[in-house]
Amino acid sequence: DIVMTQSPDSLAVSLGERATINCKSGQSILYNSNNKNYLAWYQQTPGQPPRLLIYWASTRESGVPERFSGSGSGTDFTLTISSLQAEDVAVYYCQQYYTTPYTFGQGTKLEIK
Amino acid sequence: EVQLAESGGGLVQPGGSLRLSCAASGFDFSFHWMHWVRQGPGKGLVWVSRINSDGSSTTYADSVKGRFTISRDNAKNTLYLQLSSLREEDTAVYYCARLAYGSRHGFDLWGHGTLVSVSS
Repeated sequence: DIVMTQSPDSLAVSLGERATINCKSGQSILYNSNNKNYLAWYQQTPGQPPRLLIYWASTRESGVPERFSGSGSGTDFTLTISSLQAEDVAVYYCQQYYTTPYTFGQGTKLEIK
Repeated sequence: EVQLAESGGGLVQPGGSLRLSCAASGFDFSFHWMHWVRQGPGKGLVWVSRINSDGSSTTYADSVKGRFTISRDNAKNTLYLQLSSLREEDTAVYYCARLAYGSRHGFDLWGHGTLVSVSS
């Protein structure tokens, strides 16, 4: 199984400031034939199901605010929120869909400082 | 409205069985591969199983292989997960999720989940 490791486990950021969450995969999830990284990011607020934010490591899902961006390739990935808003308080998960089982990171809890 | 709605969860004793259902509406269910993901109390997300669009191919996490069975009825727009030989560690909210179609990817639509509690 591909192990996905997120850092940090929790993060407190002031409103309007940048938040950065890292995700590392245990092996490369870059598929050479199409040059795509098989990585997604999800946001989960309390009592709600996850919401897809980013796929192919850097493609924003329709309706997701532009302050959310994804980057990275191979084994190292980052989710950045450029200017934190109150509604961004949530747990964020990365997920690889390169091969089954489609493993998730352990989650990063984002709070307001 | 485009949505997924799970049902069938409940309290069951260890060794027991349950069948979860996920009713799809507002989109062409038969186009999409579908997945089950679970989340234990206060825990993270764990992928459980997937099924292809016509139901001919299935895959399972090792932790549930041989105990859980995923299936679908495209005529009824419904996904199923049969849970058998349940263990206390299977206690979780079970979500069904739709795999995005075409050039997109990721699980772009989720239900609100159904809670399965395994306890004596």
